[in-house]
Amino acid sequence: GAVVSQHPSWVICKSGTSVKIECRSLDFQATTMFWYRQFPKQSLMLMATSNEGSKATYEQGVEKDKFLINHASLTLSTLTVTSAHPEDSSFYICSATGTGDEKLFFGSGTQLSVL
Amino acid sequence: DAKTTQPPSMDCAEGRAANLPCNHSTISGNEYVYWYRQIHSQGPQYIIHGLKNNETNEMASLIITEDRKSSTLILPHATLRDTAVYYCIVRVLLDSNYQLIWGAGTKLIIKP
Repeated sequence: GAVVSQHPSWVICKSGTSVKIECRSLDFQATTMFWYRQFPKQSLMLMATSNEGSKATYEQGVEKDKFLINHASLTLSTLTVTSAHPEDSSFYICSATGTGDEKLFFGSGTQLSVL
Repeated sequence: DAKTTQPPSMDCAEGRAANLPCNHSTISGNEYVYWYRQIHSQGPQYIIHGLKNNETNEMASLIITEDRKSSTLILPHATLRDTAVYYCIVRVLLDSNYQLIWGAGTKLIIKP
């Protein structure tokens, strides 16, 4: 089956620094990628949707200048958490789907801890 | 807002069939029902999806009622490794993109 690779699996950073998370589709062309965040014991919350080559569409309440999303190719999307603060600590998950594909494939997630 | 409702938790004995219900009474005619599961601190894993016909694959079976207002995921022979949170999700078309609308899920605990 299709594989989505997400890196890093976990990251610890100091407050004020920026963190980049990568999401790659390994064996298919991901025309659309989604970024989610998840707090403990809660469901996934969609942050943004990105189509290859165009600007990401952010959900209400998600700051686009804080969570920078780049989807420059059909196999790679990145999420950069800029000037991270402790309240940004969360589990971030990416997912991807190809054109005409009915399935959405997920990465393994990134646990971000901001000190 | 989530378009599905599920019981918050369920128990099932190992080796038995686990039947997970889901209500989606406001589903539209062209919206698919998807099931994913998530083991702690991992990304969600695809299980199965369907529109109106019952579906079966190597992992599970999906039974959708004729009026499409509810469905049941069946794990035929549950094992301890099936312990996870199971999400019943409706796929909707928003702004030219398909999105999965996530509910709270059912925490399934398989007991030996």
